[in-house]
Amino acid sequence: QSVLTQPPSASGTPGQRVTISCSGSSSNIGSNTVSWYQQLPGTAPKFLIYSNHHRPSGVPDRFSGSKSGTSASLAISGLQSEDEADYYCAVWDDSLPGPVFGGGTKLTVL
Amino acid sequence: EVQLLESGGGLVQPGGSLRLSCTASGFTSSSHAMSWVRQAPGKGLEWVSVISGSGGTTYYADSVKGRFTISRDNSKSTLYLLLNSLRGEDTAVYYCAEHVSTWSTFDYWGQGTLVTVSS
Repeated sequence: QSVLTQPPSASGTPGQRVTISCSGSSSNIGSNTVSWYQQLPGTAPKFLIYSNHHRPSGVPDRFSGSKSGTSASLAISGLQSEDEADYYCAVWDDSLPGPVFGGGTKLTVL
Repeated sequence: EVQLLESGGGLVQPGGSLRLSCTASGFTSSSHAMSWVRQAPGKGLEWVSVISGSGGTTYYADSVKGRFTISRDNSKSTLYLLLNSLRGEDTAVYYCAEHVSTWSTFDYWGQGTLVTVSS
């Protein structure tokens, strides 16, 4: 069981906006910045969002991140079939110490 | 662009040992911290260990503490993970990752190497 809680699944139709949540505590999300990763089937994870809401170069602006208190969210607008993947949040946890990942959310594009 | 290439995975018996390597090329820097992250079959990502750019600071997940050792040779742009006292639950794809900014931001990933622990 992960220190960070994500819904196991999410879904949407093409063109829709979907949001994936990541819930933590004061020792992790509450005091550190969150990053997000996309893992397409059979491939290595890909870096999507850093410092809560910044996108690395090359990541479409359809992907956005936010953080409030001990929770963070990843939003994907204009959903496309190629967005079907697993999504993970990550953050440093001061109590370990070390980084922790959420359990992952499998996004299905209907 | 940074490229990370893992090697050293394979089939090993319970209680056995293995050494994984990760060679970096491209616009990488020896000042960047690096991590090992693993993913058991059908499961999520699990952080395993991180090492600072100089190699002087290391952290481990509780699940591997005392059994795994992370190290690096900056002259060879190579990261290592020594896996001892292996158990069935260590079976996973092991990824190396580079941290450019914070130690919880995994900027670059390798393609992974599979470790299977079975008799």
